Amino acid sequence: GNSVTQMEGPVTLSEEAFLTINCTYTATGYPSLFWYVQYPGEGLQLLLKATKADDKGSNKGFEATYRKETTSFHLEKGSVQVSDSAVYFCALSDFMDSNYQLIWGAGTKLIIKP
Amino acid sequence: AAGVIQSPRHLIKEKRETATLKCYPIPRHDTVYWYQQGPGQDPQFLISFYEKMQSDKGSIPDRFSAQQFSDYHSELNMSSLELGDSALYFCASSQDRVNTEAFFGQGTRLTVV
Repeated sequence: GNSVTQMEGPVTLSEEAFLTINCTYTATGYPSLFWYVQYPGEGLQLLLKATKADDKGSNKGFEATYRKETTSFHLEKGSVQVSDSAVYFCALSDFMDSNYQLIWGAGTKLIIKP
Repeated sequence: AAGVIQSPRHLIKEKRETATLKCYPIPRHDTVYWYQQGPGQDPQFLISFYEKMQSDKGSIPDRFSAQQFSDYHSELNMSSLELGDSALYFCASSQDRVNTEAFFGQGTRLTVV
């Protein structure tokens, strides 16, 4: 079945450090891939997405490339800020049994220290 | 731009009571999803509706029921509440069912005491 695996958190970095949060997936079809972010005390927000292989999603300095050959969608940012502290969820969407499903990773808590 | 609206934002109920959560999707979105997120956990899919019909069912307890109305808003009814039902309940909507992202509401925080 479909699944998403994220690197375990928390990930603690200093401000202006380079960020990578790994995400790999298994899927039987041709899923779309997403990164959602949840800031403290808030709801889930879509950060970026990619709908087909080699697509790059980007938003707010974050990027992720849909790599079909490695079944990965790693989240990267060149220089993190304290305000990026949040929980990041990798997710995939696919059709299974004629139903749309959104499959979530376990989430990675990111802590940025000034 | 209009977003997904959930009400109430916070709800405190006692054990064995009933709670009703409401979700108003983004206009012209025909699909609604309900998720439950326990403390420190990833969102767990409960149930979804497409064009007012139940589309998919996840880990929704039998004590819970949901429906989507003619105006596309949805309600999640939770009966015989248990302490373990305390969680953040998210509603999301999407424009169609093919490879589009789900837009989430701010969530309803349910506390069962």
